[in-house]
Amino acid sequence: GQNIDQPTEMTATEGAIVQINCTYQTSGFNGLFWYQQHAGEAPTFLSYNVLDGLEEKGRFSSFLSRSKGYSYLLLKELQMKDSASYLCAVAGGFKTIFGAGTRLFVKA
Amino acid sequence: GAVVSQHPSRVICKSGTSVKIECRSLDFQATTMFWYRQFPKQSLMLMATSNEGSKATYEQGVEKDKFLINHASLTLSTLTVTSAHPEDSSFYICSARGSGPYSNQPQHFGDGTRLSIL
Repeated sequence: GQNIDQPTEMTATEGAIVQINCTYQTSGFNGLFWYQQHAGEAPTFLSYNVLDGLEEKGRFSSFLSRSKGYSYLLLKELQMKDSASYLCAVAGGFKTIFGAGTRLFVKA
Repeated sequence: GAVVSQHPSRVICKSGTSVKIECRSLDFQATTMFWYRQFPKQSLMLMATSNEGSKATYEQGVEKDKFLINHASLTLSTLTVTSAHPEDSSFYICSARGSGPYSNQPQHFGDGTRLSIL
């Protein structure tokens, strides 16, 4: 079957670093996406990994290990506005499968 | 970046009304568009996949006669909720993907439509 697992909730402090993990089992793999979704809003695209390794984009970095079926999103220098849900999504074949999302709470 | 426009952003209407939601890709041709529904504090639920010029593919449990999808051009897909009832109240979000049938292109999301049926 197809399955994407990520923690339901995480809490971190402003200015800190947080790592959101995602494990997946899918039939077919064309890459892994991370999206950010603020409450009441639609998701916005953050990153795409198709090869193993770390992709850095400003305060956000995303890592992929295809052999382990594992990815993480790393957020540095956390800001209050980073409080949101972070969705891990795997592209497989014709469909993209979304995880349930990790709600991140950033506290002062 | 790629822009997807969804309209209207909010609809409040009486039970029994049909509601049409439009999704447009503004700066790229979208061969594939997706329609999702999301209840508060829950994950995105894929309702259907819309391919330009062909019939939409509905997910299990989604009534195709209730949720009519039309993808008439490479830049426009519409979702019509027919004879809406209070249980259809939800946040409906469309997304579009660039050319090619494969999923290695990111999906870009519209801003969503909050539908409230009284």
